[in-house]
Amino acid sequence: GAGVSQSPRYKVAKRGQDVALRCDPISGHVSLFWYQQALGQGPEFLTYFQNEAQLDKSGLPSDRFFAERPEGSVSTLKIQRTQQEDSAVYLCASSPGTTGELFFGEGSRLTVL
Amino acid sequence: SQQGEEDPQALSIQEGENATMNCSYKTSINNLQWYRQNSGRGLVHLILIRSNEREKHSGRLRVTLDTSKKSSSLLITASRAADTASYFCATPGSYIPTFGRGTSLIVHP
Repeated sequence: GAGVSQSPRYKVAKRGQDVALRCDPISGHVSLFWYQQALGQGPEFLTYFQNEAQLDKSGLPSDRFFAERPEGSVSTLKIQRTQQEDSAVYLCASSPGTTGELFFGEGSRLTVL
Repeated sequence: SQQGEEDPQALSIQEGENATMNCSYKTSINNLQWYRQNSGRGLVHLILIRSNEREKHSGRLRVTLDTSKKSSSLLITASRAADTASYFCATPGSYIPTFGRGTSLIVHP
């Protein structure tokens, strides 16, 4: 498709499980962002890639969170040993440049039981 | 990184009325962007206004920017029930757009 695609759309995990969330950005987009959005809140920045380089990961809440974009296209956000407080919607966005419009996916809703 | 803050947090109006929401930010910007988010969906870009622009229009949307006050406003004219959504401003500081909590707009038919 022409837009940003995220999978899975919904994920239920037991506490302690590892999860992997995938983002397929728009082809050719240089920038890729991951955000975390709790219910009723705005998106909180997690990490930023420019092509395959992870330029900023200051928003990752703990070392259980890891993101990669090895070939400068698809990105994966991995959460190890999930906790209940990790329950949120994880949004991926891509952009053709570095300061312009973001194109968001529909998000992956993670529920940790 | 910077953060835009929207107000009011919630706004409830009747169809046909205008809706105005505001955004304040903290430091200098290159541009400011407004996004809409329907319940359970991703954010959709509405409009971008550059720091050297004071006003911009797109359809029923009008955005103003006052860099001296570090504030922006989004006006939706002749609102429709389909405009019901949350609205966020984003301020790309050092290339990382940051978002506030948003304004939740409900338009009653």
